[in-house]
Amino acid sequence: GQQLNQSPQSMFIQEGEDVSMNCTSSSIFNTWLWYKQDPGEGPVLLIALYKAGELTSNGRLTAQFGITRKDSFLNISASIPSDVGIYFCAGLYGGSQGNLIFGKGTKLSVKP
Amino acid sequence: GAGVSQSPSNKVTEKGKDVELRCDPISGHTALYWYRQRLGQGLEFLIYFQGNSAPDKSGLPSDRFSAERTGESVSTLTIQRTQQEDSAVYLCASSLKGLLSVTYEQYFGPGTRLTVT
Repeated sequence: GQQLNQSPQSMFIQEGEDVSMNCTSSSIFNTWLWYKQDPGEGPVLLIALYKAGELTSNGRLTAQFGITRKDSFLNISASIPSDVGIYFCAGLYGGSQGNLIFGKGTKLSVKP
Repeated sequence: GAGVSQSPSNKVTEKGKDVELRCDPISGHTALYWYRQRLGQGLEFLIYFQGNSAPDKSGLPSDRFSAERTGESVSTLTIQRTQQEDSAVYLCASSLKGLLSVTYEQYFGPGTRLTVT
């Protein structure tokens, strides 16, 4: 079946650093969604991407829909402590019913 | 409220008992989804309702799991004869349109944390 590879699995951030994560697949997607999940809460939609090459920002967050439609990137600029959490990508692909699959998440923690 | 709501927020049950989890989607959203998230893990798809179509039950892990949806509103996920491996957060999500829509967005509720002792 379809699979999304999300990396890195985890990373440590220092306040002020830029952060980058990505999701890749061997399959083509029509839509990419990026979510953030805080402990004890449901994922919150950050950015939605609908066209190959599309670059969309939401505050300090920027995400891109890869030109091949097989990948997507999320960048966080000038990270702050409240950026910690788990970030998930989700890709929607077509077919007779459509299907949405999720990456396994990137856990952002503060550098000790 | 305007978001997806779920109840209860926490549920502790004894092994072998049945549980019902409830989801209220965003008003007007035609599609509703249930996911399971084990501790520290990603999202595991369970079931998808879209309008009046037959639900996609392909993610249900066993026949102990079932879900219903009344029209385009409330959904309940039922787990019969709970096992310890059922302990997880159960997340509900809804979307305005189904998975074939051109501009697709899915919104999650806060989840129900189920603990089976």
